[in-house]
Amino acid sequence: RKEVEQDPGPFNVPEGATVAFNCTYSNSASQSFFWYRQDCRKEPKLLMSVYSSGNEDGRFTAQLNRASQYISLLIRDSKLSDSATYLCVPSRFGNEKLTFGTGTRLTIIP
Amino acid sequence: SQTIHQWPATLVQPVGSPLSLECTVEGTSNPNLYWYRQAAGRGLQLLFYSVGIGQISSEVPQNLSASRPQDRQFILSSKKLLLSDSGFYLCAWSAPRGMNTEAFFGQGTRLTVV
Repeated sequence: RKEVEQDPGPFNVPEGATVAFNCTYSNSASQSFFWYRQDCRKEPKLLMSVYSSGNEDGRFTAQLNRASQYISLLIRDSKLSDSATYLCVPSRFGNEKLTFGTGTRLTIIP
Repeated sequence: SQTIHQWPATLVQPVGSPLSLECTVEGTSNPNLYWYRQAAGRGLQLLFYSVGIGQISSEVPQNLSASRPQDRQFILSSKKLLLSDSGFYLCAWSAPRGMNTEAFFGQGTRLTVV
């Protein structure tokens, strides 16, 4: 099993809709989780951090399910500017290796 | 505040030529440093990471190498480039060992081997 797995998509979603996608991880010792956003031909930028059960920031909600070992990202009232690739990465204390998922490509349609 | 610099932004190199990409971090000490490669339309592939000067962990066997001659300097090199080395190379840093924090990326180098 891969360390991190994401549905590559693409997810094509109409503007204003709600969309959610998951990221599964294999190591149950993972403690922190991060969602990144990557625009085309740009570097990834941190979107949200998840240290406990979840986190919410405006239209974005990240939730952690430790029992099933996945984190989800929910985007409400999607905007055209939300079109990007979303990457997740788990992290754990004392392990410096950061392995990213392959990313989920999201396109918001007018 | 911490900043990360990576250069050049774009590079076109012939097959068989050498490569040297440099990355430096400012505003922090003893960071963890990473080199990733992203092929067109693909995910981030971890190439190397380093937890300190002279300490390099290689994730993928290939014709690339990395060095960390100073605390906040990370260099990616190749003696002879292959066509398959083309891609988007990203340097990143995270807080020192054990702090369990996110990574911050440089702006990347787009390498085309011709």
